[in-house]
Amino acid sequence: GIQVEQSPPDLILQEGANSTLRCNFSDSVNNLQWFHQNPWGQLINLFYIPSGTKQNGRLSATTVATERYSLLYISSSQTTDSGVYFCAVATYGQNFVFGPGTRLSVLP
Amino acid sequence: DADVTQTPRNRITKTGKRIMLECSQTKGHDRMYWYRQDPGLGLRLIYYSFDVKDINKGEISDGYSVSRQAQAKFSLSLESAIPNQTALYFCATSDLQTTQYFGPGTRLTVL
Repeated sequence: GIQVEQSPPDLILQEGANSTLRCNFSDSVNNLQWFHQNPWGQLINLFYIPSGTKQNGRLSATTVATERYSLLYISSSQTTDSGVYFCAVATYGQNFVFGPGTRLSVLP
Repeated sequence: DADVTQTPRNRITKTGKRIMLECSQTKGHDRMYWYRQDPGLGLRLIYYSFDVKDINKGEISDGYSVSRQAQAKFSLSLESAIPNQTALYFCATSDLQTTQYFGPGTRLTVL
């Protein structure tokens, strides 16, 4: 089945810094989502982005489907951005496969 | 009100007990999923259902069963709980194969 890797596994930032999280996948996909799991365990949809670029406030994401990767950008990070960021991918007719996540800690 | 709800939110039980986790959704989606998350890991699919008459095993279905009582309800059962089933359990819904929406999770501890 499809393999999903995320990097870095852990990231510590000072408040106000920018960061880039990466998701690599081993096969063509027709669905890719980014999620944020907050410290209370809640999973929040960030982006549905099988290709192209999207922006939502301080967050943006780019997926280059032909090269099998996606990037999540966080600008001017805040302590509330802390948590684990997952990407999940699916090929047509198949279910989602989640990456192992990137754990982000934003320090005040 | 939340679109996807799970009950209970927390449960502690003993080895050998039968446990049922329930999920309800008001999004009107046909597709529903049960995932398991272990500490430090991503989510793994247990079972999924594309409509009331369709139930499918996921990556880690052994030791679990499900029931799709209605479009809006999808229950997960542990027939005889064991300690390595201690985990955070999530229900999710989706329309076709687009965005998945997750419930708040159920934290299950098996002693």
